[in-house]
Amino acid sequence: AQRVTQPEKLLSVFKGAPVELKCNYSYSGSPELFWYVQYSRQRLQLLLRHISRESIKGFTADLNKGETSFHLKKPFAQEEDSAMYYCALPNQAGTALIFGKGTTLSVSS
Amino acid sequence: EAGVTQFPSHSVIEKGQTVTLRCDPISGHDNLYWYRRVMGKEIKFLLHFVKESKQDESGMPNNRFLAERTGGTYSTLKVQPAELEDSGVYFCASSQGLGSNYGYTFGSGTRLTVV
Repeated sequence: AQRVTQPEKLLSVFKGAPVELKCNYSYSGSPELFWYVQYSRQRLQLLLRHISRESIKGFTADLNKGETSFHLKKPFAQEEDSAMYYCALPNQAGTALIFGKGTTLSVSS
Repeated sequence: EAGVTQFPSHSVIEKGQTVTLRCDPISGHDNLYWYRRVMGKEIKFLLHFVKESKQDESGMPNNRFLAERTGGTYSTLKVQPAELEDSGVYFCASSQGLGSNYGYTFGSGTRLTVV
């Protein structure tokens, strides 16, 4: 069965420190993975998807099929990065997203 | 363009009462989805409409939940009667095609508290 695991509930770092939000998945076949972000008092929004292989707001994520991981990374965290981050992948039918439990990132100065 | 709009933003009701949540998708988006996040747990899929038809309602927890999308425009999600475990944030999302290909636009959510 498809599953997304985000092992960290909370990640606290100082401004300027590197950030890695972990995501592991289980999926039959070739998955398409996403990172969504919810800033305080804002709606859930797409941060990046692995097929586009782009960097958004300095964040990158590489799909590692061997380790079944899609960790989100940023070399230098900013205070405005503080938010809830969700890793997600589509269900087998492609009709809905399966989310992890989310990781709260807190960046302090 | 206007985004996905959800009403109300918050609702506090007593156990046993009825609550109706509303979602207005982006105009022209045939696909509409409901999700919810119960405290401490992941965001879970409830159901998917394509226009007015229920394409997948496998995530609906039980028959106390009824979703409709008359005319293929806005959707409502009714909980009747509400139970304590229904408390959480209910999200609506819409997409032009299948969301996995086109991307989803989420609403701000309705925070439901059942007391």
